[in-house]
Amino acid sequence: AQSVTQLDSQVPVFEEAPVELRCNYSSSVSVYLFWYVQYPNQGLQLLLKYLSGSTLVKGINGFEAEFNKSQTSFHLRKPSVHISDTAEYFCAVSDLIGTNAGKSTFGDGTTLTVKP
Amino acid sequence: DTEVTQTPKHLVMGMTNKKSLKCEQHMGHRAMYWYKQKAKKPPELMFVYSYEKLSINESVPSRFSPECPNSSLLNLHLHALQPEDSALYLCASSQEAALTSGANVLTFGAGSRLTVL
Repeated sequence: AQSVTQLDSQVPVFEEAPVELRCNYSSSVSVYLFWYVQYPNQGLQLLLKYLSGSTLVKGINGFEAEFNKSQTSFHLRKPSVHISDTAEYFCAVSDLIGTNAGKSTFGDGTTLTVKP
Repeated sequence: DTEVTQTPKHLVMGMTNKKSLKCEQHMGHRAMYWYKQKAKKPPELMFVYSYEKLSINESVPSRFSPECPNSSLLNLHLHALQPEDSALYLCASSQEAALTSGANVLTFGAGSRLTVL
């Protein structure tokens, strides 16, 4: 079975500082990986995805993530955050094949709080 | 049109009421999903429809009844709910049919916040 662990439940950071939100996954097969963002009182929005190819993936709002197969990680980074980045961030994994293909499993989320 | 629209945004109901949540997408997506999200928790999958047929039911109690009238619409009928069913209910869709491809990028609606008294 696939699983996702987001290593930090809360990340406070000052505006214009860099940030990294950590995500580890486990699965018995190859996976697709996703980061979603949820602003207060809204649904989830896709930030970026890794399906294949380059391990460095760029997404919206200046975010990027690096897929590391040997460490089974998919950490999210942004070099300089803004107040508007304050939100809940979810890492998700989906098996390439098998009975769980197409079923995204979400991590517990990381609350990013950007302070002025 | 790249949106998933959910109505109503807020719903308050008693334990004996019958109500419905509605979801609509016009992106031609082949799969539609219902998720339940409690505060400070990740979304939990409830149901998946692929090509208008129910393909996944994650052992959801029968007081929740999904319906997919056509490829653009998804309903969730609610009856005899419990206070612990209060949550944000999210609808999502994906271009690929569920369970055929792992690359299912989900497009979410803004959710319907349900309060059961």
